[in-house]
Amino acid sequence: EAGVAQSPRYKIIEKRQSVAFWCNPISGHATLYWYQQILGQGPKLLIQFQNNGVVDDSQLPKDRFSAERLKGVDSTLKIQPAKLEDSAVYLCASSFRGITEAFFGQGTRLTVV
Amino acid sequence: DAKTTQPTSMDCAEGRAANLPCNHSTISGNEYVYWYRQIHSQGPQYIIHGLKNNETNEMASLIITEDRKSSTLILPHATLRDTAVYYCIATKQYGNKLVFGAGTILRVKS
Repeated sequence: EAGVAQSPRYKIIEKRQSVAFWCNPISGHATLYWYQQILGQGPKLLIQFQNNGVVDDSQLPKDRFSAERLKGVDSTLKIQPAKLEDSAVYLCASSFRGITEAFFGQGTRLTVV
Repeated sequence: DAKTTQPTSMDCAEGRAANLPCNHSTISGNEYVYWYRQIHSQGPQYIIHGLKNNETNEMASLIITEDRKSSTLILPHATLRDTAVYYCIATKQYGNKLVFGAGTILRVKS
């Protein structure tokens, strides 16, 4: 069974630039999560989708972050404009119908300079 | 979700059992205890979950106290590859957010 795919693995950008991350969940998984993990901390949930609808985005900084999940499959997370404090690993995860046994991708390590 | 409390770090000798405690004294009746771990530079990995009965799978055992206020994750024969951050989460099985705390850093030493 293929796992959760994320790209790119690494990204370095300057502050005020924009960046996008892509996630392809496990086939058949209706629930998709985006997490932000700052060095030394546990993952922080940014947004949760059920199919292509948003279940929870209470911790998504909506002035600069956006996410979409078209057709209930792939998802993209965008930051525009980036700040230094956005430097983190961005993790995508998926689960079957919201059951909290989630499978995580390898993550994208973002460095904002 | 119920708040969970875990020690910041623990050490374990290779080949010995690693017992990781978690306190969840405010857990409600329909909340499960989930354990995930995160090896360096990887995404978190699901280990095991349970409601009130003890559970065992190929990775670990989960012992939940009768009052459900605490639990212990047991890795029966820890190896160096088990060095990771272990997260205990108490949440409902369906439709809830998966919220991570700081977890326990487990260091397995040879």
